[in-house]
Amino acid sequence: GNSVTQMEGPVTLSEEAFLTINCTYTATGYPSLFWYVQYPGEGLQLLLKATKADDKGSNKGFEATYRKETTSFHLEKGSVQVSDSAVYFCALNAGNNRKLIWGLGTSLAVNP
Amino acid sequence: GAGVSQSPSNKVTEKGKDVELRCDPISGHTALYWYRQSLGQGLEFLIYFQGNSAPDKSGLPSDRFSAERTGGSVSTLTIQRTQQEDSAVYLCASSPQGTSGSRTGELFFGEGSRLTVL
Repeated sequence: GNSVTQMEGPVTLSEEAFLTINCTYTATGYPSLFWYVQYPGEGLQLLLKATKADDKGSNKGFEATYRKETTSFHLEKGSVQVSDSAVYFCALNAGNNRKLIWGLGTSLAVNP
Repeated sequence: GAGVSQSPSNKVTEKGKDVELRCDPISGHTALYWYRQSLGQGLEFLIYFQGNSAPDKSGLPSDRFSAERTGGSVSTLTIQRTQQEDSAVYLCASSPQGTSGSRTGELFFGEGSRLTVL
């Protein structure tokens, strides 16, 4: 079946550090891949997405590349800010919206 | 506001009581979803509504859970005879697309209703 595995948190970084949050998936067919972010006290919101192999999603300085050969969609940012402190969720859509499959979330804390 | 609205934001109830959670989706969004977010468990799909089609209830954990969507807009999730294991954050999301075409998968979430069953 379809599944998403992302690195466990919490992740604690200093401001301007490089961030990687790993995400790997198992899916039949050709899923779309997503990163959602949940800031403190707010609802989940889409951060970036990629719908086919080798696509790179990017937003707010974050990037993730859809790697079919390694079944991965790792989230990266070159220089994190305190305002990036949030919980990040990797998810896949294997063909219909109701079955978005979610990772467990990775909590990120960025210290000044 | 223009976003997905959920109420109540917090609900504390006693074991055995019934609770209702409300979701008001973004105007014009035809698809509505309920998820449950438990500590350390990720997001668990509960139920999905798309237009006038029969809802997909495949994620409801027991027959104590039910949901309605009236007039294609507001939805209510009802939990009867609550149990302590029902304690979680219940998230509602809406989307302009259903299952027929788009795979973009962008869902717009409310802030959730935190349910605590004592």
